[in-house]
Amino acid sequence: AQKVTQAQTEISVVEKEDVTLDCVYETRDTTYYLFWYKQPPSGELVFLIRRNSFDEQNEISGRYSWNFQKSTSSFNFTITASQVVDSAVYFCLARNDYKLSFGAGTTVTVRA
Amino acid sequence: DTEVTQTPKHLVMGMTNKKSLKCEQHMGHRAMYWYKQKAKKPPELMFVYSYEKLSINESVPSRFSPECPNSSLLNLHLHALQPEDSALYLCASSQADGASYNEQFFGPGTRLTVL
Repeated sequence: AQKVTQAQTEISVVEKEDVTLDCVYETRDTTYYLFWYKQPPSGELVFLIRRNSFDEQNEISGRYSWNFQKSTSSFNFTITASQVVDSAVYFCLARNDYKLSFGAGTTVTVRA
Repeated sequence: DTEVTQTPKHLVMGMTNKKSLKCEQHMGHRAMYWYKQKAKKPPELMFVYSYEKLSINESVPSRFSPECPNSSLLNLHLHALQPEDSALYLCASSQADGASYNEQFFGPGTRLTVL
C-alpha cells in the first residue's frame, strides 16, 4: 500500500516570502510516480509537476522548485517570492498502476 | 483544447431524485476518472474508465452509476443519494491509464447538495 503524508495542514505567509511544502511518501513499489497539484478556491486541480522514482533530479520552473530525495522519501515543493495568487490547497500524489494516494493537502494563504 | 468541462456547476437534489453529472474532454485522452471530494479533504477516487471500459470501481455504492458513451464523454448517474453524498464531484482525464506517469487534467467540478 502507498501512503502520502503532508504534515503541514496550513501555512500562512506574507507576500514575497518563500514557502516550502513537505511531502513524505511510503511505498514498497520500486516504480512509482509523484505529483504535485494545486487547488485554488475555484475547485479545479491544476497539475504542477511529476517525478518518477528513477529521476532524482531537482527542478526549478519559474518561482516553483522541487526537491525529490529517495533516501528520505520526500518530495518537497518550494514557492519562491510568494504571491497572493499562490493561495490554494496543494496536494501531493503518489501513483503506481492503479494505486493512487493523495496526501491530506496543505492550505497556503499568502497575505498582501 | 486543454480543458475538461463539467456540467452542471451546482446541483441540489432530493434523496428520491435521479440526476446525472456530465464531463467532457476533447484532448484525445483515453482515460477518464470520477472523484468525490468532501470539504477540506483530498479527492477520493471513485471510478476509472480506460478506453471506454470501466477499469476501476473503488467499491462505490450502486447509487452512483458511471457511464462512458464515447471517448470524450463521461457521465455519473445519481439515484437515491444520501445527504452524506453531498460533495464536490471532480472529473479528470489523462492520455492513457495503465500509464501511471500521465498527469491528470481536472474539470472544475460539480458541487452536489443532497437534501
